[in-house]
Amino acid sequence: AQRVTQPEKLLSVFKGAPVELKCNYSYSGSPELFWYVQYSRQRLQLLLRHISRESIKGFTADLNKGETSFHLKKPFAQEEDSAMYYCALSGLSTDKLIFGTGTRLQVFP
Amino acid sequence: DAGITQSPRHKVTETGTPVTLRCHQTENHRYMYWYRQDPGHGLRLIHYSYGVKDTDKGEVSDGYSVSRSKTEDFLLTLESATSSQTSVYFCAISNDRGAAGANVLTFGAGSRLTVL
Repeated sequence: AQRVTQPEKLLSVFKGAPVELKCNYSYSGSPELFWYVQYSRQRLQLLLRHISRESIKGFTADLNKGETSFHLKKPFAQEEDSAMYYCALSGLSTDKLIFGTGTRLQVFP
Repeated sequence: DAGITQSPRHKVTETGTPVTLRCHQTENHRYMYWYRQDPGHGLRLIHYSYGVKDTDKGEVSDGYSVSRSKTEDFLLTLESATSSQTSVYFCAISNDRGAAGANVLTFGAGSRLTVL
């Protein structure tokens, strides 16, 4: 079965604090992992994908196949990072992209 | 934004009435998806299409049907709307496997449906 778990519904931090949004997955094949973000009054958009291994807006995520995790990290949160973040899973043997339940990140000044 | 539009953007209807949401793309992408977004549930896949007349079920397909008669349009139909189908519906598109940006979804602006 294809499943994504985001254990935190809400994560609140102060500006400048480190951020880690957790994502765990279940998939029997070779996974492709993504982070999507939805800012207020904007469309859902791709933040980053594991195969790109890049940093976007200071965020990074490393795929850990042993722990089946793809946590999103940023060393110093900014107020403009406040948004809804979704972890998503696909794979070579599926056309489906399955999302987690999302984590709302609030960054206070 | 990318060439994907949803209509209507807002709709209020009564229980038992049929409803059709339309997704239109100008990107000539092969894959099209319908998701619903609900608090506490995140985004859940309803149906998706991998080509003209080729569709498959997602996680929450009961009560929904889809049709794709041409590449650019993907219709989601609620044959008899229920209050549990009150939600925000998102359409998304993605390119073919092996193409640039494959598996990356581009989303529409969403359609807010209220079933009274």
